[in-house]
Amino acid sequence: AQKVTQAQTEISVVEKEDVTLDCVYETRDTTYYLFWYKQPPSGELVFLIRRNSFDEQNEISGRYSWNFQKSTSSFNFTITASQVVDSAVYFCALVSDSWGKLQFGAGTQVVVTP
Amino acid sequence: SAVISQKPSRDICQRGTSLTIQCQVDSQVTMMFWYRQQPGQSLTLIATANQGSEATYESGFVIDKFPISRPNLTFSTLTVSNMSPEDSSIYLCSVGKGGRADTQYFGPGTRLTVL
Repeated sequence: AQKVTQAQTEISVVEKEDVTLDCVYETRDTTYYLFWYKQPPSGELVFLIRRNSFDEQNEISGRYSWNFQKSTSSFNFTITASQVVDSAVYFCALVSDSWGKLQFGAGTQVVVTP
Repeated sequence: SAVISQKPSRDICQRGTSLTIQCQVDSQVTMMFWYRQQPGQSLTLIATANQGSEATYESGFVIDKFPISRPNLTFSTLTVSNMSPEDSSIYLCSVGKGGRADTQYFGPGTRLTVL
């Protein structure tokens, strides 16, 4: 069985603060993929990043960075110098089956106030 | 990534009626997926739709309640049948090539309210 846990329900920060979103996953498969999606108030799901189980390199993209640690089964996401436009629900997800079915975490609501 | 559209974007329906949601992609795709997102909740996969074959439903979802069509490689429909207020959700379609290495891209969603 596979499972994705996002323990933080909501995080509130003031603009320009950094915010880190936690994601812990469980899977018995040795080959799997992890994802982060952003869902702004409009409701559309926006793809942010994909990482495979064999690539533990951290990644930075602008103000976004991701820390993948296989030893702790975590794939955390940091927004540096947050902005009001970052306010959204962020979902971590896992794929380990051959169909490509996404298993989503519960999501973390990020609220950035001016 | 593909451009995905859904119709309608939102609707308010009466209990006992049915609503068909359309998902259109601007390029041919192998896999199309339908998800439900109940208010304040995460996304749950309803079914996987491959062109030319019957949809594969996840546990807890049945064809009589959520019939799906996939007539070609760019289009799919999901019908929510005999609706009740518990069906009030956002319904999202996603597309991909299939397989664990693939990235799914999502449509804008359909916000359904059942009175």
